[in-house]
Amino acid sequence: NAGVTQTPKFRILKIGQSMTLQCTQDMNHNYMYWYRQDPGMGLKLIYYSVGAGITDKGEVPNGYNVSRSTTEDFPLRLELAAPSQTSVYFCASSSTLQAYNEQFFGPGTRLTVL
Amino acid sequence: RKEVEQDPGPFNVPEGATVAFNCTYSNSASQSFFWYRQDCRKEPKLLMSVYSSGNEDGRFTAQLNRASQYISLLIRDSKLSDSATYLCAVNIWGNNDMRFGAGTRLTVKP
Repeated sequence: NAGVTQTPKFRILKIGQSMTLQCTQDMNHNYMYWYRQDPGMGLKLIYYSVGAGITDKGEVPNGYNVSRSTTEDFPLRLELAAPSQTSVYFCASSSTLQAYNEQFFGPGTRLTVL
Repeated sequence: RKEVEQDPGPFNVPEGATVAFNCTYSNSASQSFFWYRQDCRKEPKLLMSVYSSGNEDGRFTAQLNRASQYISLLIRDSKLSDSATYLCAVNIWGNNDMRFGAGTRLTVKP
């Protein structure tokens, strides 16, 4: 199992550009999440999904969009990049079968918006 | 008040020391509690789940105090390899909206 994989690892965007951060998991987890982590800060939930075709907003959804067409994939879209979106983005997944809902994280995407 | 708050760091301790971190949460409906470890420029990884009765895993002990709404992590006999940031996380069953603390940075020195 590769677990949770994310691409790209690094990206620099200009203000106003758009991009999609990719996330794939091979653990057949129903639940997937996108977080951002600013320097010295904890993780903030952007969006999450409880299964294919179902997504919901987290704490900080503004400026982002997601889709979940398959169990495995959960891409995050930035439409008009802003400097405030400079951050490290982590995708995570968890299984509904685990009562304690452990989340498994991908290695992250470091995004800089200039 | 933040939903999840942790001890401000950093903690700098010598090898062999015992160190304790606390984490408070504001939502009394919270039901699942975790400690994650995050190495520099890496993703968080689960260190321990925190059960009502408290639990121990080698040098690590996690405790939950529901009345006071906090969880704690005790690390005994600190090793250099324990240097990392420790994040507490809390969620409400059925909500799947995990909330993380800002993390406490630990540096263990020789």
